[in-house]
Amino acid sequence: DAGVTQSPTHLIKTRGQQVTLRCSPKSGHDTVSWYQQALGQGPQFIFQYYEEEERQRGNFPDRFSGHQFPNYSSELNVNALLLGDSALYLCASSSYSRTSGSSYEQYFGPGTRLTVT
Amino acid sequence: KQEVTQIPAALSVPEGENLVLNCSFTDSAIYNLQWFRQDPGKGLTSLLLIQSSQREQTSGRLNASLDKSSGRSTLYIAASQPGDSATYLCAVRPETDFGNEKLTFGTGTRLTIIP
Repeated sequence: DAGVTQSPTHLIKTRGQQVTLRCSPKSGHDTVSWYQQALGQGPQFIFQYYEEEERQRGNFPDRFSGHQFPNYSSELNVNALLLGDSALYLCASSSYSRTSGSSYEQYFGPGTRLTVT
Repeated sequence: KQEVTQIPAALSVPEGENLVLNCSFTDSAIYNLQWFRQDPGKGLTSLLLIQSSQREQTSGRLNASLDKSSGRSTLYIAASQPGDSATYLCAVRPETDFGNEKLTFGTGTRLTIIP
């Protein structure tokens, strides 16, 4: 059973460019969350997707946007890249329970290392 | 706003010693608390998850405790091994409101086990 997968592993971009990161959730999971982890810091929540809609968003500018596809996979898009966007981007998936109205434990992928020069 | 603090930021101990990592959080209205391990440049591996109604969880040489009212959790590692060297992060999830499930992380404790 494959866990959470992310692509690409590493990426180097120039300031002002746009980037798209991809995530495939663990089998059976329908909810995807994205986190940004700067060097030496804990991950910071960007947003969460469920049923192809953004359900919750952290304190990130509109340059950060996302999408969830019918197969539950997700993309994170960042426009007008800044040097400060250099970080490890982590995707986490979970399974939503209609009974409890919340998701179960989040499982994290290996991350995408983005370097902006 | 929830804030999570981990002390110490770094810790070095000789192999074989028992050790304790600390995590504190400012808002006790949590749904659960989770401890993760992160190797350099890698993703997060979940170690233990404690529900707010629980006091502790154990897995092998690891034991995590939770005191929700005081906003504290500890991760106890017994008989440390060089392979335990990594950064350990704790994260809290808020009490469940529909759509409010983000994890708030501490900055981690970087653990080095000296052979």
